[in-house]
Amino acid sequence: AQKITQTQPGMFVQEKEAVTLDCTYDTSDPSYGLFWYKQPSSGEMIFLIYQGSYDQQNATEGRYSLNFQKARKSANLVISASQLGDSAMYFCAMREGTTSGTYKYIFGTGTRLKVLA
Amino acid sequence: SQTIHQWPATLVQPVGSPLSLECTVEGTSNPNLYWYRQAAGRGLQLLFYSVGIGQISSEVPQNLSASRPQDRQFILSSKKLLLSDSGFYLCAWNNLAGVLDTQYFGPGTRLTVL
Repeated sequence: AQKITQTQPGMFVQEKEAVTLDCTYDTSDPSYGLFWYKQPSSGEMIFLIYQGSYDQQNATEGRYSLNFQKARKSANLVISASQLGDSAMYFCAMREGTTSGTYKYIFGTGTRLKVLA
Repeated sequence: SQTIHQWPATLVQPVGSPLSLECTVEGTSNPNLYWYRQAAGRGLQLLFYSVGIGQISSEVPQNLSASRPQDRQFILSSKKLLLSDSGFYLCAWNNLAGVLDTQYFGPGTRLTVL
């Protein structure tokens, strides 16, 4: 069965420093997608970044980058120059196909990031 | 642009009462729709997903049900709520015609069952 593992329940980082949030996955599908979402205290889920299994380069979106190591089945999120507003829960997710031809998504348990002033 | 709405934003219900949560999407057609539940401090659990009107797939057997009466409307229901139904309910959509097939989430409904 497909699985997403986030081993860091909580992380602290000093403002303006970089931080890496870990995510490992397990799948037997050759084609898959990996996502990171941010959930602030308000509860909304904000899409941050996507990495496709066939993408040759690591995805980047502003201060967010995804360190994709396919052989190790890891998809770590790197946040550069942390800001106080980055304090939130972060979820790694993977899509998997279904028999109905659509996708469903499995989520990790999340990492709570606290940025310190 | 596409937007997704959920209501109500918060709800407090007694055990044994019925439930109806609504989700609507604007700005896209034939979306795939999803209902998730998030218990306090936990990850997301997929409850139902739908690829079209009247087509519902259930992931977890429970006292909840879902319906899709219109293309961009997804409803989560229960006839009798349990204490364990408390949580944060999120609706999401994606569209396989999109480049990334990314899921986008609504603002959520916080349900407390007393």
